[in-house]
Amino acid sequence: GENVEQHPSTLSVQEGDSAVIKCTYSDSASNYFPWYKQELGKRPQLIIDIRSNVGEKKDQRIAVTLNKTAKHFSLHITETQPEDSAVYFCAANGPDSNYQLIWGAGTKLIIKP
Amino acid sequence: GAGVSQTPSNKVTEKGKYVELRCDPISGHTALYWYRQSLGQGPEFLIYFQGTGAADDSGLPNDRFFAVRPEGSVSTLKIQRTERGDSAVYLCASSLWGGRDTEAFFGQGTRLTVV
Repeated sequence: GENVEQHPSTLSVQEGDSAVIKCTYSDSASNYFPWYKQELGKRPQLIIDIRSNVGEKKDQRIAVTLNKTAKHFSLHITETQPEDSAVYFCAANGPDSNYQLIWGAGTKLIIKP
Repeated sequence: GAGVSQTPSNKVTEKGKYVELRCDPISGHTALYWYRQSLGQGPEFLIYFQGTGAADDSGLPNDRFFAVRPEGSVSTLKIQRTERGDSAVYLCASSLWGGRDTEAFFGQGTRLTVV
């Protein structure tokens, strides 16, 4: 079945710098890759997603890139701000026969003032 | 309501007791998912409903766990003979339809503590 690995587990960056979080997946049939942001004690919220028919997607300070050949995708946050501090999860959809999301273990992003 | 609603927000129960967790999805969403999130981990899939039927229950850990969605809207996750290892945040999500690439909207979760 699908397996999603996420790195790093913790990332500390200076306010204003960029942050990059990387994920790999194992199932070549996966075609949907969402990124969720979860603040402490709150629900996961979708911040951006990408489908396998594109290689990059951007939304203001957030971008996601997808390399289908290498089976990895990355989240890029530019000009980081204190409110970007949270745990970020990548995910991939499961095989054709089911509809679950397989999640990475999460990256705790700390923005230093 | 505007979002996915879960009740209760917190539940403390004694080992061996029965609990029910409720999820009210976004109106009109046909797909509903239950996930379980342990501390420091990503959510782990439990079960997926398309309408009233459980289309995929492969994530339920054992037969103590059961979920229903009798009218295709509200869902209840039921846990019998609770164990301390069941302690986690139980998240519900819904999506407009059950496509493999459809955005899922999550509720706030129910934090279950088994003592």
